[in-house]
Amino acid sequence: QLQLQESGPGLVKPSETLPLTCTVSGDSISSSSHYWGWIRQPPGKGLEWIGSIYHSGDTYYNPSLKSRVIISVDTSKNQFSLKLSSVTAADTAVYYCAREVGVTKIIDSWGQGTLVIVSS
Amino acid sequence: QSALTQPRSVSGSPGQSVTISCTGTSSDVGGYKYVSWYQQHPGKVPKLLIYEVTKRPSGVPDRFSGSKSGNTASLTISGLQAEDDADYYCFSFAENSAGSWMVFGGGTKLTVL
Repeated sequence: QLQLQESGPGLVKPSETLPLTCTVSGDSISSSSHYWGWIRQPPGKGLEWIGSIYHSGDTYYNPSLKSRVIISVDTSKNQFSLKLSSVTAADTAVYYCAREVGVTKIIDSWGQGTLVIVSS
Repeated sequence: QSALTQPRSVSGSPGQSVTISCTGTSSDVGGYKYVSWYQQHPGKVPKLLIYEVTKRPSGVPDRFSGSKSGNTASLTISGLQAEDDADYYCFSFAENSAGSWMVFGGGTKLTVL
């Protein structure tokens, strides 16, 4: 059974870099059928797609966040990671990692989400 | 590249039908078949309802249906039930000369009266 688990700090200071990792179990991150992505949801607000990565390292980013986002993959650990730089309070959100199906471009599996608060 | 436009809220009584719209551009909703819809209850992860505009994953009731006309996709929920009270998001592939990405709608709160 596929499981995705986010890990990382729950509190990040303004102007610093937010680092999160997603550990995948029950599927290989090297699957040719899937992309691995990050979505966030500020408290009480809507979903925002951040970006995704293929096992080859090809990345796709939200144009509005592209200048601050790096998504990377570690196939040896079956993990992928998010780094969001120069964070502000507006980056406070629940961050979800997720599996995307390449052919249909849907999100078919989500992590439980982790709340990251940006505050000094 | 803004979020797709959805009504902030819709409402209906049990048994009625409601339609939620999702308006984009020819670079996203209007240009591709890759529009999907998700339902999210408070504190839960989103659940896939519709993909590729009209297709329903197994296990999703046929009360949920999707369509598209031009740059606007729609989700129709017929025979409203209390458990349909939730937030709904459209999600679309987008592409222009700068590259490709995915984009959510702003979300619609459905209240079952």
